[in-house]
Amino acid sequence: DAGVIQSPRHEVTEMGQEVTLRCKPISGHNSLFWYRQTMMRGLELLIYFNNNVPIDDSGMPEDRFSAKMPNASFSTLKIQPSEPRDSAVYFCALRDHYTGELFFGEGSRLTVL
Amino acid sequence: RKEVEQDPGPFNVPEGATVAFNCTYSNSASQSFFWYRQDCRKEPKLLMSVYSSGNEDGRFTAQLNRASQYISLLIRDSKLSDSATYLCVVNRGSSNTGKLIFGQGTTLQVKP
Repeated sequence: DAGVIQSPRHEVTEMGQEVTLRCKPISGHNSLFWYRQTMMRGLELLIYFNNNVPIDDSGMPEDRFSAKMPNASFSTLKIQPSEPRDSAVYFCALRDHYTGELFFGEGSRLTVL
Repeated sequence: RKEVEQDPGPFNVPEGATVAFNCTYSNSASQSFFWYRQDCRKEPKLLMSVYSSGNEDGRFTAQLNRASQYISLLIRDSKLSDSATYLCVVNRGSSNTGKLIFGQGTTLQVKP
């Protein structure tokens, strides 16, 4: 399995605050995905990277959202400033190079008050 | 219109029943297809890939119809433990570089 560690697991913050979500792949991969899940909209693809390069960020809601992948072992998703409508579970996932299977982290549950 | 569409359900079935889910996709350039399972408050996990010729894994059968752009999942002899949300996933692009789009999911509840 490709392991994925996400932090924080839960975050509650106030509107206007900056939020940084982190993803740490444990083993090798070549693609990393950030998804957001809500009851209303399901799993939405925000952005994905191949070989640490952002390939498609068309799912990023607006300029308040940004994502980086400075190396193969770390990625961040930042929201600044946060709004209540950003409340969701944010998942990071790695794709197995050979099978195409996605391995998800346990998610970061964000609540913006 | 969403790129990947599923009936959200819920599907409520008794144990032992056979249940089928369909999923349609709009982008004809899609090249690979999957079914994922998500338990309540957990992350999605791969259930099975969907091959052009159809494939079976125990009680689960997946089919792909490229002409009509739909994918199906059949569960036979359903168990209580099959209760979950089933997510259809379409890869727009090659298997190891393309964009993976999820449907909203179909919820299955198997009752004793």
